[in-house]
Amino acid sequence: AQKITQTQPGMFVQEKEAVTLDCTYDTSDQSYGLFWYKQPSSGEMIFLIYQGSYDEQNATEGRYSLNFQKARKSANLVISASQLGDSAMYFCAMREPLGGTSYGKLTFGQGTILTVHP
Amino acid sequence: GAGVSQSPSNKVTEKGKDVELRCDPISGHTALYWYRQSLGQGLEFLIYFQGNSAPDKSGLPSDRFSAERTGGSVSTLTIQRTQQEDSAVYLCASSPTADSNYGYTFGSGTRLTVV
Repeated sequence: AQKITQTQPGMFVQEKEAVTLDCTYDTSDQSYGLFWYKQPSSGEMIFLIYQGSYDEQNATEGRYSLNFQKARKSANLVISASQLGDSAMYFCAMREPLGGTSYGKLTFGQGTILTVHP
Repeated sequence: GAGVSQSPSNKVTEKGKDVELRCDPISGHTALYWYRQSLGQGLEFLIYFQGNSAPDKSGLPSDRFSAERTGGSVSTLTIQRTQQEDSAVYLCASSPTADSNYGYTFGSGTRLTVV
C-alpha cells in the first residue's frame, strides 16, 4: 500500500523568503506520480505541481519547485519568495500506477499549514 | 462548465436521515473521484468513476454510503442513516483521464454536519 508522510504540521516563513515543505513516500511501484496541492482557508484544492517518477529533472512551476530525491523517496516542495497569499494548507499526494485493479487514485498526506509573516 | 460544481455547499442534517450530495464535473472529464476531509485532516478516498462505472469503491466506509454517475457526467453520493461521524467536507474531483499529469480539478466541497 502507498503511504505519504508530511512530518511538519505547521511551518512559518517570513515574507519574501523561501520555504521547504517536506514530503516522503513509500511505495513498491516503479511508476508513480507525485503532486502538491494548496488548500486556502476557503477550502478549495488548487493543483500546484507534478513530478513523474521517471522524470529526471525536478519540476518547476513559477515560484514552486519540487525537490525530487528518488532514492530517499522524498518530494519536497520549495516555495521561493513567499507571499502573504501563500498562507494555506499544503498537501502532498501520490498517484498509484494505472493497470490491473489500480485506477490511479491519489493518496494524500496529512498536510502542512504554512503561515507567511509580513 | 468552467469548473467542478458541488451542491449543496453546506448541509445540516439530523442523525438517521439520508442525504444526497451532488457533483457536476468539468464537461468531457471521464474520471471522477469522491474524497472526504474531516476537520484538519487529509483527504480520504471514497470512490472512483470512469464514465458511468465505478471500478474502485474501496474507500466507501460502510454500506450506508453509495454513489452513482449518470451520462458520464453528474454524480450523486448518498449517505443513508447518517451518523455524527459522517460529518466532514465531501470533495468531488474530476480529471480528463485517470493518468492526467495535471491531477484533479476539485470542487469547493459540501460541508456536511450531522446533529
